[in-house]
Amino acid sequence: SQQGEEDPQALSIQEGENATMNCSYKTSINNLQWYRQNSGRGLVHLILIRSNEREKHSGRLRVTLDTSKKSSSLLITASRAADTASYFCATPRNSGNTPLVFGKGTRLSVIA
Amino acid sequence: IAGITQAPTSQILAAGRRMTLRCTQDMRHNAMYWYRQDLGLGLRLIHYSNTAGTTGKGEVPDGYSVSRANTDDFPLTLASAVPSQTSVYFCASIRTGHIEQYFGPGTRLTVT
Repeated sequence: SQQGEEDPQALSIQEGENATMNCSYKTSINNLQWYRQNSGRGLVHLILIRSNEREKHSGRLRVTLDTSKKSSSLLITASRAADTASYFCATPRNSGNTPLVFGKGTRLSVIA
Repeated sequence: IAGITQAPTSQILAAGRRMTLRCTQDMRHNAMYWYRQDLGLGLRLIHYSNTAGTTGKGEVPDGYSVSRANTDDFPLTLASAVPSQTSVYFCASIRTGHIEQYFGPGTRLTVT
């Protein structure tokens, strides 16, 4: 069964707005990763946050992690049409760091 | 070659036929993975290999086999394809000592 579950399943926003996606997971983790998938392509790693971190930034991306609630959020600020993609959270399958278990993803549409 | 390549890009296969999906990486990554991606189910791990000569079962291994004779190649074989194996298959790898996965472009397989 999947470890992480993203919410919402789909999100449609206007260019320039912020997009927030959430991920909930079930068991204790060492880290949580977010990946992006453009239509018809493989996944691309975006950002990793470790269990001892609460927030991390990378360009227009901001990731938070709340281990007490077993949840993470991915915020994309000032969205662009090129941000249109599916976004997945991934957590380690077991006590190590790999293999990963992926959620079902959030489909983000950014309308120009 | 740069990164991970998969072949074929797409394939239509008659049920009962044998098929091998190829995956090759030139990054000297130790660990490699096979996932299938189905609409509404996200990515599910089929098999993995932590290093050449070793393999392990993922969430959905039935009907699939893998081998890892060397570091670069990780073929996935469907011994006798069934329609439920219609999916998009992704190969991925991880650099030794790191956590983020690198994905291939995928193989779209249709079993009729």
